[in-house]
Amino acid sequence: EIVLTQSPGTLSLSPGERATLSCRASQSVSSSYLAWYQQKPGQAPRLLIYGASSRATGIPDRFSGSGSGTDFTLTISRLEPEDFAVYYCQQYGSSQYTFGQGTKLEIK
Amino acid sequence: EVQLLESGGGLVQPGGSLRLSCAASGFTFSSYAMSWVRQAPGKGLEWVSAISGSGGSTYYADSVKGRFTISRDNSKNTLYLQMNSLRAEDTAVYYCAKAEVYCSGGSCYPPRFFDYWGQGTLVTVSS
Repeated sequence: EIVLTQSPGTLSLSPGERATLSCRASQSVSSSYLAWYQQKPGQAPRLLIYGASSRATGIPDRFSGSGSGTDFTLTISRLEPEDFAVYYCQQYGSSQYTFGQGTKLEIK
Repeated sequence: EVQLLESGGGLVQPGGSLRLSCAASGFTFSSYAMSWVRQAPGKGLEWVSAISGSGGSTYYADSVKGRFTISRDNSKNTLYLQMNSLRAEDTAVYYCAKAEVYCSGGSCYPPRFFDYWGQGTLVTVSS
C-alpha cells in the first residue's frame, strides 16, 4: 500500500499570503492518479486538483498543483478567507485508493 | 445536478451489522464506478470500498476486507454497503462518492478521483 505523508500538519497564514502544501508518497505515484481535495468543517470533501495539476470544474486559478514521482505540491497563490480548511491528497494504485492525513490551513 | 444521499447510519453494538444506502440522481448511475469513503471523528479520510458501474468488480481496503460488502442496484440508482462484524474503530461518517470515467486513447482505466460526494451518514459502534 502506498502511504501519502502530508506536511506540514498545520499551516498558519494570513489572507493574501501564499500557501504551499506538500504530499510525499512512499513509492512512485503516477501523476495521473494524484488528486487534491478541500474539506471545511461539517462538509464533504470537494475536488480541487486531479492529474497532479489540472483544476477541477469551478476551481479558482489561485489553486495550482505540481509534482511527479513521490513529491507533489498544492499551491494557493493568494489566500482568500474561504480557503482556510483542511486539504487532502489522494492517490490510486494496485486497486486501492489512499489519502494523506491532511494539512490544516488556519488563519494566523 | 448530481445528488448523492446516504442513509442507514446509527448506533450499533460491537459485532453487529448495518447496511448503508446511497441514493443517486442527476447522472447515469450505471455508467460510473462508486466508492465509500469514511472519516472517523476528528480524523482524516479513509477509502473503504469501490464498485464498477456494472457491479461486476469490487475492491476493498484491507481494514474492511471480509467484513464489508459493497453492492449496487442500477435499476434503483442506489449504492449499498453491508457492514458486518462491526468494531469500535469502524465508527465514522461514511460518504458515498461518484468516481470519474477515465478513458484515454481508446482505452479506459481505473478512475483517478471522486468528483461528487454525499453529505455522509454517521455510524457509531459502541456498547
